[in-house]
Amino acid sequence: AQSVTQLDSQVPVFEEAPVELRCNYSSSVSVYLFWYVQYPNQGLQLLLKYLSGSTLVKGINGFEAEFNKSQTSFHLRKPSVHISDTAEYFCAVSEGGGFKTIFGAGTRLFVKA
Amino acid sequence: DTGVSQNPRHKITKRGQNVTFRCDPISEHNRLYWYRQTLGQGPEFLTYFQNEAQLEKSRLLSDRFSAERPKGSFSTLEIQRTEQGDSAMYLCASSPDFGTGNTGELFFGEGSRLTVL
Repeated sequence: AQSVTQLDSQVPVFEEAPVELRCNYSSSVSVYLFWYVQYPNQGLQLLLKYLSGSTLVKGINGFEAEFNKSQTSFHLRKPSVHISDTAEYFCAVSEGGGFKTIFGAGTRLFVKA
Repeated sequence: DTGVSQNPRHKITKRGQNVTFRCDPISEHNRLYWYRQTLGQGPEFLTYFQNEAQLEKSRLLSDRFSAERPKGSFSTLEIQRTEQGDSAMYLCASSPDFGTGNTGELFFGEGSRLTVL
């Protein structure tokens, strides 16, 4: 069965500092990997996804993530964060071609001035 | 706006009452999903429709929960005899079929928040 572990429940960081949000997954088959962002009182929206090919994927708002198959990780990074990046970030996995997407518990990114 | 629409956005009810939520997916999307999100947790899968057929139900979906998508367009999620433990955000998402531009991305509505007193 698939599972997703987000290693940090909260990440406080100062504005313009770099940030990494960690995600590990487990699955017995090939997977698609996603990061979603949720702003207060809003639904989730896709930041980026890995389906196949290059292990470094770039998304919206300057975020990128790297797929590491040997470590079953998909960590999200941004070199310089803004106050507006304060939100909840969810890592998610679906088995390739499957309909069910499993989400991690989320990491709350809090950007301080 | 042609995104996923959910109604009502907020519902406060007393324990034991029935509630119904509605989801209008993106019009060309055949797949529709319901998730539940509690405070401090990620979305948990509840059920999935391919057109009007309900193809998968999570064990989280007790007998008090029922979901329908009668014409393959909008969907309803009904909770009967609500309990305080049902308090959560109920999220609806849609996506195209695989092979028709589906890359696995889910398109979410803003959710319906249920508070059971």
